[in-house]
Amino acid sequence: DIQMTQSPSSLSASVGDRVTITCRASQDISNYLAWFQQKPGKAPKSLIYAASSLESGVPSKFSGSGSGTDFTLTISSLQPEDFATYYCQHYRSYPLTFGGGTKVEI
Amino acid sequence: EVQLVESGGGLVQPGGSLRLSCAVSGFTFSDHYMDWVRQAPGKGLEWVGRTRNKANSYTTEYVASVKGRFTVSRDDSKNSLYLQMNSLKTEDTAVYYCARTSSSSGHWHFDLWGRGTLVTVSS
Repeated sequence: DIQMTQSPSSLSASVGDRVTITCRASQDISNYLAWFQQKPGKAPKSLIYAASSLESGVPSKFSGSGSGTDFTLTISSLQPEDFATYYCQHYRSYPLTFGGGTKVEI
Repeated sequence: EVQLVESGGGLVQPGGSLRLSCAVSGFTFSDHYMDWVRQAPGKGLEWVGRTRNKANSYTTEYVASVKGRFTVSRDDSKNSLYLQMNSLKTEDTAVYYCARTSSSSGHWHFDLWGRGTLVTVSS
């Protein structure tokens, strides 16, 4: 199975900050990577697929990059509604697996 | 309105069975792969299983921990997805989400999620 490792597991930031989250795959997954946002008690929301393509309706302050084993999610200017937990997920092969999550706190 | 609505969760004893449903509306259900993803209390997300669409023969995939115990199925005529869970274990306790999978240039990615239904396995 492909293991997905996110770092950091949590971070503290302020409104207006630029935030970067890293995700590393245990083997080459090309660009078969997605990112999700989840707020407490809510369902996940899809943000990015194919490492850098925004899902419909997702604001451009979110961006993704990377290929192979190393990927990043960047939030250009953190807003109050962005405080949440973010997960990466590969879909290169089965089983599909998620990273452990990064909690973005105030 | 485009939405996925799960139902069927509840309390079940270890070794018991439960069937979850996901009712879909607002899009052409039969075009999409559909998945189940779960989240144990206070933990991260875990993919459970997938059913492909008719064009791909409704074939299924599962994570190893549920293979042989869980079955993902669908009824395109009812716009519904199902998860039959047998031989339940305490570690299956989680919120279960159904998720729509869409294809974009060969990338089959989750793009829509339901609100989830809680399954508690306990004696």
